[in-house]
Parts: sequence; structure tokens; C-alpha cells
Amino acid sequence: GQSLEQPSEVTAVEGAIVQINCTYQTSGFYGLSWYQQHDGGAPTFLSYNALDGLEETGRFSSFLSRSDSYGYLLLQELQMKDSASYFCAVRDGDNAGNMLTFGGGTRLMVKP
Amino acid sequence: DVKVTQSSRYLVKRTGEKVFLECVQDMDHENMFWYRQDPGLGLRLIYFSYDVKMKEKGDIPEGYSVSREKKERFSLILESASTNQTSMYLCASRGTGYHEQYFGPGTRLTVT
Repeated sequence: GQSLEQPSEVTAVEGAIVQINCTYQTSGFYGLSWYQQHDGGAPTFLSYNALDGLEETGRFSSFLSRSDSYGYLLLQELQMKDSASYFCAVRDGDNAGNMLTFGGGTRLMVKP
Repeated sequence: DVKVTQSSRYLVKRTGEKVFLECVQDMDHENMFWYRQDPGLGLRLIYFSYDVKMKEKGDIPEGYSVSREKKERFSLILESASTNQTSMYLCASRGTGYHEQYFGPGTRLTVT
């Protein structure tokens, strides 16, 4: 089976940097994704890492270490609008990587 | 813009009723998914479909069935609703070979 672990809550101040970690156990591995979900909204795609290293998209970066079964989402220059839940998700070997398994989500609260 | 629409935002049903949740996507995606989202548990996959009339069980298929008669439409059926099926239900679609999964706005189902 698959399992993902991420912190349930993180609090940070506006302008700061925050890192949300995700560790996973899967049978086979295709890649790690991150999604953002605001209260009352639908999850939206942020990033995908298939290979080791850092992928940067504006203020957000995502990192993967396949050997450590570990990844993180890095949010820089935090803004109030970044307050949301963040989910890591793995595409694993089942069903040729068609399925995503999600972590429980990390609720990020950005304070002024 | 990809659009994934769901038939209802809020639904209240009685125990034992048959419930249909409809999802439509407009981007000709091969893959469609039904998740339920509960606090602290993240998104759990109920069923997914990779083609018309094709379906695969996800992590929690018990008590649910699905139907995909047309490529753009994926229906979730609760044969006999129970109170433990009270939840937020999210539909998603993804094109084969792509990483980004697009979610609908969700249906909050309450079974009384």
C-alpha cells in the first residue's frame, strides 16, 4: 500500500519562508505532486517532481529526494492569500501511475 | 481553461436513498476520478475511470458504484446512502501523459 506523512498544521508570518515536508511509502514511484486548497475551494495543482532536485515556480519551490522517500514544498515571501491547505500526493506503481494517493494535508496559517 | 463541473454544491439525502452525483469535464480527458474528503484524512480515492465504460476501484469503493457511458461524464452512485457517507465529494480529471489533475468544486453531501 501507500502512505504519506505531512504535518497537520503550520503557522508563519507574512513575508517569511515556510517549508512543508512530506514523507511517503509506496510500491513503485512515478512522482510527487503538490496541491493547494483554500477553504471552500477545489484543490489546484502546484507542482510535480519526478526526479531528484528542486523545481522552482515563482515564490513556490518543490523538492524531491527519491532515495529518502521525501519531498517538501517551500513557500517564500509569504502572503496572507497563501493561507490554505497543502497536500502532497504520489503517483505510484499501481495502475501504471494513473492513481494519485494524497496525504492528510497541512493547514498553513499566515499571520500579519 | 479546463472546466470540471459537478451537478450540486450541496445535497441532503435520507438514509437508504439512492444518490447520484454527476461530474462533467470539457477537456476530452481520458481519466476521471471520484474522491471523498474528510477532515484530517486528505482525499481518498473511491473509483477512477481511464476510458469510457472502464473503471478501477480506488482505496474506499465499498458502498459506491460508478458509471461512465460518455467520455466527458463520470457518475458516482450511492446505492443505499448511509450516515457514514456524509462527506465532501470531489471529482477530478486528467489527460493521459499529463501530471496536473483538475478538480471540480465539490458536492457536500449530508445523509440524515
